[in-house]
Order: sequence, then C-alpha cells, then structure tokens
Amino acid sequence: NAGVTQTPKFQVLKTGQSMTLQCAQDMNHEYMSWYRQDPGMGLRLIHYSVGAGITDQGEVPNGYNVSRSTTEDFPLRLLSAAPSQTSVYFCASSYEAPGLAGDNEQFFGPGTRLTVL
Amino acid sequence: GIQVEQSPPDLILQEGANSTLRCNFSDSVNNLQWFHQNPWGQLINLFYIPSGTKQNGRLSATTVATERYSLLYISSSQTTDSGVYFCAVEGQGFSFIFGKGTRLLVKP
Repeated sequence: NAGVTQTPKFQVLKTGQSMTLQCAQDMNHEYMSWYRQDPGMGLRLIHYSVGAGITDQGEVPNGYNVSRSTTEDFPLRLLSAAPSQTSVYFCASSYEAPGLAGDNEQFFGPGTRLTVL
Repeated sequence: GIQVEQSPPDLILQEGANSTLRCNFSDSVNNLQWFHQNPWGQLINLFYIPSGTKQNGRLSATTVATERYSLLYISSSQTTDSGVYFCAVEGQGFSFIFGKGTRLLVKP
C-alpha cells in the first residue's frame, strides 16, 4: 500500500491564482480530511468527508472547496489564492470517522508546502 | 468544543536522558493519538491509545481516560527523537483536534 499520497510537494502561487491540491489513499478508508499547519501551531481542520459524496466544513474552511467523487480521492481547491493561505497542507484518512466506534486511527500524507505571493 | 493542552511547550534534553510529555483533554474521547513531526515535516504515527498503556521500543504511552490525560514517555533519548510531538483527539462532529505540540531538542 502507498498509504496517503499528496501532490505536489511544493507550490508557489501568485495572489488570485487557483489550484488544486491532490490527495489519494489506497486503504479503502471512508474518512478523509484536510488540515493546514501554520508556524507555532498545531494542525487545524479545513474540510472533511465521511464517504464518497459527503463533505463538511472544519474549523477553517473559508477560501477552500472540496469534493469527494470516489472513495480514494479528496482534492482541495483554492479558488483565488491569498497570502494568508501560505501554509503546509496535510491530508489524512481513517477507516472510520473520529468519534465513531471502530478503527478511526488517522494516517497522514507527507504534506504540501504552499506559498502565495 | 473539546480543548487539548500539551506540556511542556518546549523541552531540551541531553542525549540519553528520559522525558515525559503530557496531554490534557477536556472531555471524554474514543480516539487519542500521539504523533512525531520530524524536522522534515513528516507526521509519524506513534500511538493510537484512547486508554491503557502501550510500548514501542524506547517510547511508551499511557492514557487515563477517566482523568482525561495521556502521557508519552521517551527513554534514553537520541538526537533523532528531536522534533515536535503532537497529541490529538476527536472533537465535535467528525473532527480531529490537535494540541499545539511539545517541541523537543535532543543535544548530542
């Protein structure tokens, strides 16, 4: 298993540009999520999905869109990048969603370092 | 919502020393995990430990769910243990909440 994969590893955007961060997992996990990590802070939840076709907002959703058309993929879209979105982005997945009984151990991808100028 | 507090925020050790990191959480949880973020930014799963005690080599963890805290023990620390250690628990809805981490530096 490749686990959780993310592309690209690094990206530089200009203000106003759009882009999609890719996330895929091959563990047949139902739950997938996106986090951002800023200096000196823990990870903050942007959006999550409890299964294909179902998404919801996390703590810091503004400026980001997601969709989940397949179990494997969970892309994160920045429609109009802003300097405040400069951050490291992590994707994660688990078999069950946090808070549910069962296997909800979270596995993280390697991250995407995004700079918005 | 649930609060997660980690202590100490920073820790400097000499190689070979032992340490204890603490994670307090404000409500009962079904999921608690410890992660190590290495200097390259990678998040590495250490323990999935909503209750009880687990050991993996020089690392061990104990969660006392009834008292809402978890401890991560590092014995005979090595320079490769340096990085940031995060505790995380499930929050409201289907979210997963991280503490702010303990930054560990192990000196040779």
